[in-house]
Amino acid sequence: GDSVTQMEGPVTLSEEAFLTINCTYTATGYPSLFWYVQYPGEGLQLLLKATKADDKGSNKGFEATYRKETTSFHLEKGSVQVSDSAVYFCALTPNQAGTALIFGKGTTLSVSS
Amino acid sequence: NAGVTQTPKFQVLKTGQSMTLQCAQDMNHEYMSWYRQDPGMGLRLIHYSVGAGITDQGEVPNGYNVSRSTTEDFPLRLLSAAPSQTSVYFCASSLGEHSGEQFFGPGTRLTVL
Repeated sequence: GDSVTQMEGPVTLSEEAFLTINCTYTATGYPSLFWYVQYPGEGLQLLLKATKADDKGSNKGFEATYRKETTSFHLEKGSVQVSDSAVYFCALTPNQAGTALIFGKGTTLSVSS
Repeated sequence: NAGVTQTPKFQVLKTGQSMTLQCAQDMNHEYMSWYRQDPGMGLRLIHYSVGAGITDQGEVPNGYNVSRSTTEDFPLRLLSAAPSQTSVYFCASSLGEHSGEQFFGPGTRLTVL
């Protein structure tokens, strides 16, 4: 079945460092891809999305490009801030009934000043 | 719009007790779902509904019941709480099953002693 694999955390960075969180997927068909963010004590919220190959999603300085040839959707940010500390989830719309999204296990990012 | 609301925010139960976690949305979304979030496990789908009167099981349905009598509400019932149900529970909704973005509630942190 469809699945999402993302890099294990935690990821610990200093403020202004470059961030990459790797995400790869296995899917039949042509899924849409998402990054969700969960700030401490809150629910998940959509960070960015891409609906077809070579699309780039972007929001709040974060970017991710839908790479069909490598089945990847890596999240990047050029200069992280302390306020970016959160858990990041990669997700896709599966080609199966019933499940709206399939999530990776999440990657915890901790940014220190 | 309030979005997706969940009550209570925190709950402590004793083994064997029953309770209902409430979830409501005011966006007229057809698809609603319940997830549990556990450390290292990511988000796991418990039950979902594609519309009023229609519910189905997700990945981890045992010990939980749901009903969907209205478009707005999707309560989750714990029949006889067990320590293994200690978790953070999230309700989510979306326009349709594979419509893309899911909107999440703030979560209920449940502890079963």
